[in-house]
Amino acid sequence: GAVVSQHPSRVICKSGTSVKIECRSLDFQATTMFWYRQFPKQSLMLMATSNEGSKATYEQGVEKDKFLINHASLTLSTLTVTSAHPEDSSFYICSASTSGGISDTQYFGPGTRLTVL
Amino acid sequence: GIQVEQSPPDLILQEGANSTLRCNFSDSVNNLQWFHQNPWGQLINLFYIPSGTKQNGRLSATTVATERYSLLYISSSQTTDSGVYFCAVRDGKIIFGKGTRLHILP
Repeated sequence: GAVVSQHPSRVICKSGTSVKIECRSLDFQATTMFWYRQFPKQSLMLMATSNEGSKATYEQGVEKDKFLINHASLTLSTLTVTSAHPEDSSFYICSASTSGGISDTQYFGPGTRLTVL
Repeated sequence: GIQVEQSPPDLILQEGANSTLRCNFSDSVNNLQWFHQNPWGQLINLFYIPSGTKQNGRLSATTVATERYSLLYISSSQTTDSGVYFCAVRDGKIIFGKGTRLHILP
């Protein structure tokens, strides 16, 4: 149980286009979902936290208008990278938890590798 | 904010060896977790261990909260243990260390 999927797993796009990444909790309801970004051989950096039905909370330095997050249901959150540029190329990982509490387990998706040409 | 430091940054071991990975954190926390990221990028929860000791098969973890460190032990390493091991604490948001990159040689 507690499986989180991400789609697509890999995407290559031209500079200036927008890319949407989906994160789904397959067998549980995720009250809270998290979006991370990971550069090669680097750690995970939290981008934003989203709760179902409310606006996402973005970390300092993350552009809200560039990284649009929609948590439309208890099983789906989407991250849209708008007008992508080569510097947006990265590994994007989502995770989901049932409550987002301090000891609540986060279940991670397999990640999406974005390459912007 | 809280600083999380992991050591060593890289570790290469022969299959069957034991290893100890360390995580130091700069302030008191009541939430510490260990994760394994496999070579394909998938993160797996290993332990939620704010204090004390836990064991799961060949892996065990100990957190000494008063001294602000946690240790992850891997015994009888297998090639499938390769990847990056992260510790993370929660200070409002989750803060990950930079990880220990482990490579187990067959």
